[in-house]
Amino acid sequence: EAEVAQSPRYKITEKSQAVAFWCDPISGHATLYWYRQILGQGPELLVQFQDESVVDDSQLPKDRFSAERLKGVDSTLKIQPAELGDSAMYLCASRELGQPYEQYFGPGTRLTVT
Amino acid sequence: AQTVTQSQPEMSVQEAETVTLSCTYDTSESDYYLFWYKQPPSRQMILVIRQEAYKQQNATENRFSVNFQKAAKSFSLKISDSQLGDAAMYFCASSNFGNEKLTFGTGTRLTIIP
Repeated sequence: EAEVAQSPRYKITEKSQAVAFWCDPISGHATLYWYRQILGQGPELLVQFQDESVVDDSQLPKDRFSAERLKGVDSTLKIQPAELGDSAMYLCASRELGQPYEQYFGPGTRLTVT
Repeated sequence: AQTVTQSQPEMSVQEAETVTLSCTYDTSESDYYLFWYKQPPSRQMILVIRQEAYKQQNATENRFSVNFQKAAKSFSLKISDSQLGDAAMYFCASSNFGNEKLTFGTGTRLTIIP
């Protein structure tokens, strides 16, 4: 069964360093999402892509976060510089165009900023 | 804006018994979807069940069923014949028709007692 892949699974970085996460959605899924899940809370959408275009990045802290999906397939989320408050699980999800019901989630990247 | 509220941070149930998880939501839209997602420890989030707001009939998936009260904006999840594998965080979520951005609640941690 096809799955959303994410790497790394765990990342520890020091404050002010740069960090990047990678996501490979299920093949053929045009829509890709990045969520941030702070411990004890539900996921919150950071950015949504339709193919290579950003559809919604209203909750993305653009002073330090960036996201790209250059070829409309895999995606990278970057934080520079990382802050203590960025410690969280970063989840990637994908959805097939025309299928509004289900987003398929990856295992996430757990980021710890020290 | 949508909001989703889960007032039970933790629940426990004896194996083979029935448990109900509560969720309330708020939206100004008339067409929307409601979901229950399951997040097992260290594993990816998966969709358990969904409900289209225009459908009056409550959704059912095997041992999982919902009680959708549209006027009260309530969407509870009932798990029958609880199994050890049901132990997880359960998130209630909503999205508006035409905009598949998910808004999540804070989650309920379900423990199954053998």
